Parts: sequence; C-alpha cells; structure tokens
Amino acid sequence: QISLKESGPTLVKPTQTLTLTCTFSGFTLSTSGVAVGWIRQPPGKAPECLAVIYGNDDKRCSPSLKSRLSITKDTSKNQVVLTMTNMDPADTATYYCAHRRNSAFDIWGQGTMVTVSS
Amino acid sequence: DIVMTQSPLSLPVTPGEPASISCRSSQSLLHSNGNNYLEWYLQKPGQSPQLLIHLGSNRASGVPDRFSGSGSGTDFTLKISRVEAEDVGLYYCMQCLQTPFTFGPGTDVDIK
Repeated sequence: QISLKESGPTLVKPTQTLTLTCTFSGFTLSTSGVAVGWIRQPPGKAPECLAVIYGNDDKRCSPSLKSRLSITKDTSKNQVVLTMTNMDPADTATYYCAHRRNSAFDIWGQGTMVTVSS
Repeated sequence: DIVMTQSPLSLPVTPGEPASISCRSSQSLLHSNGNNYLEWYLQKPGQSPQLLIHLGSNRASGVPDRFSGSGSGTDFTLKISRVEAEDVGLYYCMQCLQTPFTFGPGTDVDIK
C-alpha cells in the first residue's frame, strides 16, 4: 500500500529557506516511470505543481520558481526533499507530495501547512 | 505556460441528476502518441486532492463508474452520470503535457 507523508516547519520567516521532506512507503523511486512530485495550494486557491523527480534523477520544475527550488531524492531512505529559498508571505500554502505514475498523481500525502510570517 | 480554464466555476447539483464540467487548455494536450495529457482531481472538503481521471478519459483505480472523462486537444469534459452527496467538493483539471504542469481554477460542486 502506497503512502506519503510530508514533514517540515509550519512557520518560516521571510527570506528564510524552507526544507520539506516527503517520506514514502509502498513503492520505490527506482521503478521505471515512477516519480514523486511536490504541489502546493495557497488558501482558497488552486494547486500549483512545483517540482517532480523521477528515479533516473530527471527533474521537472516550475520555470518561474526554478531559481528558488531544489528537489532531491534519497532512495535508500525513501525520501524526497524540497528546498525553497527566499521565502515570502505569498508562499504561504499547504504543501503536498504525491506519487506519480502513468501520467497521474494517483496517491497524495495529507499535506503540511506552511505559513511565512515575521 | 499552458493556461487551463474551467466552467462553470460553481455548480449546484441535485442528487441523482447528471452534472458536467468543462475544461479548456490554451494549447492542445494531444501528444503525437495519441494520448491527451489531461487529469481530473476532486478535492473533498478538508482533504487532499484525489485522482479521478488520467490521460483524458482513463478512470483511476477505485473511482466509481458514474465518473467519466472525454475530449481531446483543447476541450475536455468531466461528467457525473448521477450525482451523489459524497461528490461535493472542488474539481480541478490539470495538464501534464508540458512543464510546468498547470491546474485549472477549480469548479465548486455542492448540493442544491
């Protein structure tokens, strides 16, 4: 059974760096075509796909955020880490990680709410 | 970026009646391999989004057959044959043909 769980700080200050960890089970990122993605959703708004990483280390990131984003994987720990620099109050959102296979985010984590405020 | 639009943005429904949501993309989502890279998600109140449809018309595992997806190119439709009370929530379409993957604004479905 596939599951994912996001972890990280709930509050960060403007200009700080956010580091979120997605810990998953029930699958391996080394499987062909399998990926983990990070999606965020500001309160009351539509989701926004931030980054996706595949087992072959192929990465797809939002071009508008690419300079601030980093996505890495630790296959041995079954973790994917998202780093976002220079956080701003506009980055306040619920951050989800999700399993991606067959061109779909088919299993999502519960999400973690991150507030950016001084 | 590919821009996704949805209509209507709000949809009051009557249980037992059909419902339909339209999604349009600013560029064709039809790949040369014949697949349309369009997904539908439902976000129930207080929950994470859940996959309903992928590749335009493929129902995800465990999704009731009252949900169906259709369309090609730039015009897509999600249909619910007979709405049930548990179907309320926000429905989003998302394109995954090009990075960045982009979502529509959402359609809020609630019971009349």
